[in-house]
Amino acid sequence: QVQLQESGPGLVKPSQTLALTCTVSGGSISSDNYYWTWIRQHPGKGLEWIGYIFHSGSTYYNPSLKSRVTISVDTSKNQFSLNLTSVTAADTAVYYCARGGVTGTTYYWGQGTLVTVSS
Amino acid sequence: EIVLTQSPGTLSLSPGERATLSCRASQSVSSTYLGWYQQKPGQAPRLLIYGTSSRAPGIPDRFSGSGSGTDFTLTISRLEPEDFAVYYCQQYGSLLTFGGGTKVEIK
Repeated sequence: QVQLQESGPGLVKPSQTLALTCTVSGGSISSDNYYWTWIRQHPGKGLEWIGYIFHSGSTYYNPSLKSRVTISVDTSKNQFSLNLTSVTAADTAVYYCARGGVTGTTYYWGQGTLVTVSS
Repeated sequence: EIVLTQSPGTLSLSPGERATLSCRASQSVSSTYLGWYQQKPGQAPRLLIYGTSSRAPGIPDRFSGSGSGTDFTLTISRLEPEDFAVYYCQQYGSLLTFGGGTKVEIK
């Protein structure tokens, strides 16, 4: 059973960098045919895709966030990470990590972590 | 960027009724890359349907998906109390986007 767990600070100051890590267990992050993704949800709002990465390191980002986002993978730790720079209050959200398959859908999700941007 | 528009925004129905949720794409999406999710408060989304019409493991057969091109539908044949939730469609044909969601609430 694949499990994903987000970790990182729950509070980030404005203009700083939001950094989260997703630890994958029960499966290898180096498996072919999967992508590893970050998705966020503003309080009371819908789902917003942030970006995804393949184990090869190829990345794809939401155009609206592309200038501020970096997703990376550490195959030795079976983890992937999200960096979002120059955060504002508008980046306050629940951040989810998930695994996507060949049809693009994400069956396995982390439980989500709330990140608040505030001084 | 492919924009997904879900309608209606809110659907008020009673248990036992049929729910029909719509997802319209701003450009054609391959049927392979269209999915549906259910989300309840405080929980991560749960995959219901992938590839337009295939049910994810453990999903009851009262959930079905259909459609092609730019118009896709999620149907819940008879609503159970646990089905009242928010539903999202998602496409992966061009990057990845989610629809804005449809809330199915108890009438």
